[in-house]
Amino acid sequence: GNSVTQMEGPVTLSEEAFLTINCTYTATGYPSLFWYVQYPGEGLQLLLKATKADDKGSNKGFEATYRKETTSFHLEKGSVQVSDSAVYFCALTPSSGSARQLTFGSGTQLTVLP
Amino acid sequence: EAGVAQSPRYKIIEKRQSVAFWCNPISGHATLYWYQQILGQGPKLLIQFQNNGVVDDSQLPKDRFSAERLKGVDSTLKIQPAKLEDSAVYLCASSFEGVGSPLHFGNGTRLTVT
Repeated sequence: GNSVTQMEGPVTLSEEAFLTINCTYTATGYPSLFWYVQYPGEGLQLLLKATKADDKGSNKGFEATYRKETTSFHLEKGSVQVSDSAVYFCALTPSSGSARQLTFGSGTQLTVLP
Repeated sequence: EAGVAQSPRYKIIEKRQSVAFWCNPISGHATLYWYQQILGQGPKLLIQFQNNGVVDDSQLPKDRFSAERLKGVDSTLKIQPAKLEDSAVYLCASSFEGVGSPLHFGNGTRLTVT
């Protein structure tokens, strides 16, 4: 079956530090890949996505590149802010079939200190 | 556009009681999902609807959980009787049909079973 493995947290960084959150997946074919963010007390929000190999998703200074050869979709940001403190989830949907639900990783808690 | 609406926001019940959650998806979204998010974990799919038909309910504990989506719009998720391990956030999401279509999540209902 499909699965997503994320780097375990929590991750604590100082403001303006470089962020990487690792994500690898197991799936057949070419799944679509997503990063969702969950701020305290809120629902999940789509941060970025990529639907085919070598695509780069980007939003709000965050980036992730779909690497088929390493089955990875690592999240990066060059300079984090205190407002980026949240839980980040990597997820995938399969490329075929009617049940295209998201399969999530376990989440990575990020805390950015001023 | 209006987002996914869920109610109630919080619910506290005793074990063996019953509870129901309501979800109104984004207008025009044919696909609706219910996820269970236990503290510290990624969301886990309970059930997926396409219009008013069930696409996948393989992870729904059918001895105590039920869900319906009458008329292909609003949905309710019910637990009867509740157990302590049902304490979680219940998230509703909706999406357009199509490869790579992102899910839009509501803010969730936080259930505490005592």
